[in-house]
Amino acid sequence: NAGVTQTPKFRVLKTGQSMTLLCAQDMNHEYMYWYRQDPGMGLRLIHYSVGEGTTAKGEVPDGYNVSRLKKQNFLLGLESAAPSQTSVYFCASTPRTSSYEQYFGPGTRLTVT
Amino acid sequence: AQSVAQPEDQVNVAEGNPLTVKCTYSVSGNPYLFWYVQYPNRGLQFLLKYITGDNLVKGSYGFEAEFNKSQTSFHLKKPSALVSDSALYFCAVRDLHNFNKFYFGSGTKLNVKP
Repeated sequence: NAGVTQTPKFRVLKTGQSMTLLCAQDMNHEYMYWYRQDPGMGLRLIHYSVGEGTTAKGEVPDGYNVSRLKKQNFLLGLESAAPSQTSVYFCASTPRTSSYEQYFGPGTRLTVT
Repeated sequence: AQSVAQPEDQVNVAEGNPLTVKCTYSVSGNPYLFWYVQYPNRGLQFLLKYITGDNLVKGSYGFEAEFNKSQTSFHLKKPSALVSDSALYFCAVRDLHNFNKFYFGSGTKLNVKP
């Protein structure tokens, strides 16, 4: 099993550009999450999904949109990138019946100039 | 609101010495607590968790953590540090009102010197 994968690994955007980050998991997990990691701030939850077709806002959802059309995929979109969105983005998944630990992807490093 | 705090940005320890990485929590109820490790340019990896039961929890790579309700702490420990333990460590708590949400601390960088 590949676990949780993220594409792309790196990206540089100009202010105002748009992009989509893809997260895929092959563990048949129900729950999926998008976090951003900034120095000294730990991980902050952007959006999450408890199942196919459902999404919900986390702590810092502004400027991001998400979609979960298929159970194994969770997409994070930036419609109009801003320098404040420069960060490392992590996707994670959790099975519904578990001890609640999360499985993380390797991350996407995004720079907005 | 539920949260965790990691009071130390960095911990330095010599190889072979015991190590402690501190975490305190703030929750209204019985907490679900976790420790994760992040190696450079990698995602977070689960180390151990406390849900209920024994206050001393054992996890991966020889790590353990002690849950202390009176001090609202969940410190990560290892009896003998290895250079390969050098990494970024995160404490996390699960939201008791919304089990789908987790809150992470700011992280502690552990440096183990030979």
